[in-house]
Amino acid sequence: DGGITQSPKYLFRKEGQNVTLSCEQNLNHDAMYWYRQDPGQGLRLIYYSQIVNDFQKGDIAEGYSVSREKKESFPLTVTSAQKNPTAFYLCASSSTRDRVEQPQHFGDGTRLSIL
Amino acid sequence: GEDVEQSLFLSVREGDSSVINCTYTDSSSTYLYWYKQEPGAGLQLLTYIFSNMDMKQDQRLTVLLNKKDKHLSLRIADTQTGDSAIYFCAESNAGRGGSYIPTFGRGTSLIVHP
Repeated sequence: DGGITQSPKYLFRKEGQNVTLSCEQNLNHDAMYWYRQDPGQGLRLIYYSQIVNDFQKGDIAEGYSVSREKKESFPLTVTSAQKNPTAFYLCASSSTRDRVEQPQHFGDGTRLSIL
Repeated sequence: GEDVEQSLFLSVREGDSSVINCTYTDSSSTYLYWYKQEPGAGLQLLTYIFSNMDMKQDQRLTVLLNKKDKHLSLRIADTQTGDSAIYFCAESNAGRGGSYIPTFGRGTSLIVHP
């Protein structure tokens, strides 16, 4: 079945360490997104990419980086510059069909904690 | 800027109807969505409505849109314990350079008790 796979499900980061969250989709979607979710908060957009080799900053990009070398993959790196990384991270993808934007599909998330 | 507001909690008895409300500020909203999130999982799209519609029904779910008041609601008929989850309202328009990226509310935690 097609879908979005995020890994790992749980991740721990030490002080000063960069960590990378994986997101892979086999839905043939052009656009991919990363969101951060904190308790009692909505989803906040970190980065998004509408096409391979191109991406844009979202609302809270500081301390994060991404790459989009393949259509299927959109990894997110949480750098040591992100001072409060503990959160639930969600990856999503979407397509455009007949010039109509389609809803986003989400992965099951990665929970990142500081050691 | 864009803003989407929801109440944080709703408690209902099993078998009753649940109504989750949402208000938004962007009058250029094109799509309005309802997503469901179960504990430790991602968001699952429940339903969505175009801004030129005022109602959409899908089995136990009914979405009502009052575009004049910028008010969206989700009614779940015959609510079951399996409906307990967080429900997110979201709206999108072509505001980010033509990209329809949703703005999400904070989510409403629906608690269904026997």
